[in-house]
Amino acid sequence: AQSVAQPEDQVNVAEGNPLTVKCTYSVSGNPYLFWYVQYPNRGLQFLLKYITGDNLVKGSYGFEAEFNKSQTSFHLKKPSALVSDSALYFCAVREQAYNNNDMRFGAGTRLTVKP
Amino acid sequence: DAGITQSPRHKVTETGTPVTLRCHQTENHRYMYWYRQDPGHGLRLIHYSYGVKDTDKGEVSDGYSVSRSKTEDFLLTLESATSSQTSVYFCAISEGLADISYEQYFGPGTRLTVT
Repeated sequence: AQSVAQPEDQVNVAEGNPLTVKCTYSVSGNPYLFWYVQYPNRGLQFLLKYITGDNLVKGSYGFEAEFNKSQTSFHLKKPSALVSDSALYFCAVREQAYNNNDMRFGAGTRLTVKP
Repeated sequence: DAGITQSPRHKVTETGTPVTLRCHQTENHRYMYWYRQDPGHGLRLIHYSYGVKDTDKGEVSDGYSVSRSKTEDFLLTLESATSSQTSVYFCAISEGLADISYEQYFGPGTRLTVT
């Protein structure tokens, strides 16, 4: 079985400061990992994904995430937060297995960036 | 929202009535998914489709059925709506083979209230 945990319901940062949104996962084998962002009254938008290779993945809007296999983590980061980054962020995992279409999402972390 | 529309966008219905939600895509993607979003749970997969007339159950499929008669349309039916099915429902699409992890693209969502 696969699962994801986002240990923080809420993250608050000041504009211009670095931000981190945490994600840990559990799978039997190797994972595909994703980050999505949701703005109010909108669907989820894809930010970035890890499939294989380089542990540091770069995505949209200056976001990046680091895959750490030993710690089973995939934390989302950005060097300098913007007020417009305020949104709900979801981490998701799918185990690398043929015909596995079951993607599991975390409960979400609400990021608030204050001016 | 990546060529995905959902209808209706909002619906209020009474307990025991049947409800059908529609997802329409213009991307010609093979895979389509229905999720529900509830506070504290993130997104949970209800059903998905991997081709016309090919569907399978997700994590929370009880009380829901789906149909896909055309590539572009994926219908979610609540046979007899219950208050526990009050939620926001998202359709998603993705392309490609089951063993290559493409990201999913989400529609704008349908807010369903069962009274």
